[in-house]
Amino acid sequence: GAVVSQHPSWVICKSGTSVKIECRSLDFQATTMFWYRQFPKQSLMLMATSNEGSKATYEQGVEKDKFLINHASLTLSTLTVTSAHPEDSSFYICSAMPLGLALGGDTGELFFGEGSRLTVL
Amino acid sequence: SQQGEEDPQALSIQEGENATMNCSYKTSINNLQWYRQNSGRGLVHLILIRSNEREKHSGRLRVTLDTSKKSSSLLITASRAADTASYFCATVDDMRFGAGTRLTVKP
Repeated sequence: GAVVSQHPSWVICKSGTSVKIECRSLDFQATTMFWYRQFPKQSLMLMATSNEGSKATYEQGVEKDKFLINHASLTLSTLTVTSAHPEDSSFYICSAMPLGLALGGDTGELFFGEGSRLTVL
Repeated sequence: SQQGEEDPQALSIQEGENATMNCSYKTSINNLQWYRQNSGRGLVHLILIRSNEREKHSGRLRVTLDTSKKSSSLLITASRAADTASYFCATVDDMRFGAGTRLTVKP
């Protein structure tokens, strides 16, 4: 199956620093990638939808200046947590939708990265 | 906000038993998917069911969809300890996930 690589898999940083998480589709192109946040024993909360070459669409309540998303190519999207604070500590997961598929249509599966665990001290 | 809600939130069974998880959603959908997540890992796609389908099988998995009740169920037959994981439904139209069911299969 298709592979999505997420890096780093875990990161510890000091409060006030910025952290960048990368999401790469390794063997397919993705016009759309999704970023999720997951707290322990809870579901995935959609943070934003990232579209290649355009601005990300953020969900209500997600600070776009806090969580910067860049989708510069068809195989890479990045999430930067700026001026991180302990409450930003979480598990961040990306997923990618292969080129040519659209939401709501005859879509196949989404392909997920393995997640990135962020701990802010 | 999350689209669906699964019940039960947690389920513990013995190996060999069947496990049934339910999911409800709020809006009209074209498709619904079920995913599995091992602790601390990414999600793995299990099965997709389209809105014009009522039941679908894949190995030991059986998924049903009732669009009139806006609900879906996932049945895992003859469960194994390796099936221990969290299971989520997601509405494909907006890729929002339900709360999930944490399944524990005891050997």
